[in-house]
Amino acid sequence: AQTVTQSQPEMSVQEAETVTLSCTYDTSESDYYLFWYKQPPSRQMILVIRQEAYKQQNATENRFSVNFQKAAKSFSLKISDSQLGDAAMYFCAYRSALANNDMRFGAGTRLTVKP
Amino acid sequence: DAGVIQSPRHEVTEMGQEVTLRCKPISGHNSLFWYRQTMMRGLELLIYFNNNVPIDDSGMPEDRFSAKMPNASFSTLKIQPSEPRDSAVYFCASSLGSFYYGYTFGSGTRLTVV
Repeated sequence: AQTVTQSQPEMSVQEAETVTLSCTYDTSESDYYLFWYKQPPSRQMILVIRQEAYKQQNATENRFSVNFQKAAKSFSLKISDSQLGDAAMYFCAYRSALANNDMRFGAGTRLTVKP
Repeated sequence: DAGVIQSPRHEVTEMGQEVTLRCKPISGHNSLFWYRQTMMRGLELLIYFNNNVPIDDSGMPEDRFSAKMPNASFSTLKIQPSEPRDSAVYFCASSLGSFYYGYTFGSGTRLTVV
């Protein structure tokens, strides 16, 4: 079974600085999708960014970008120019491209943004 | 689109009572997932449906938990009888058939069993 590991339970960053959240996963599959979700105090789960495993180019969404290293099974999230509104729990998730497969989530990283 | 709609947002009930959580997925989404979130165990998949058919319910804790999806626009998660250890946030999520799109989550139901 696929597992997702987020080794940083908590991280903090100064406002306007850059922070990187780590994620590794374990799979024997070659085709899959990776996601980062944000969960602010409102508890709503919000999709931040996604990456297809067959694409070598790293995904970017405004201030959010990923560093996808398929061979190392690593999928880190970089947040540039951090804002107070970025403070939240961040979850890394894996989804197989096989039919009838659910999404596996990491334990999450709590990000604090200091003014 | 209103997104995935869950009700109630909060539920407080006494041990032994029946609890029913409700979910309306996004129109056109053909997969629906129920997750439970706790501090100790994180996000756990309870059950998911494809085209209204339950595919994997191996995450359902025990027989006290049951889920139904009578049609494409409605699902319920029922706990009977409820116990204090069932206290958690329960999320419903829906997804298009293509895995690229990930899930769209509802706002969750915070269940407290006293």
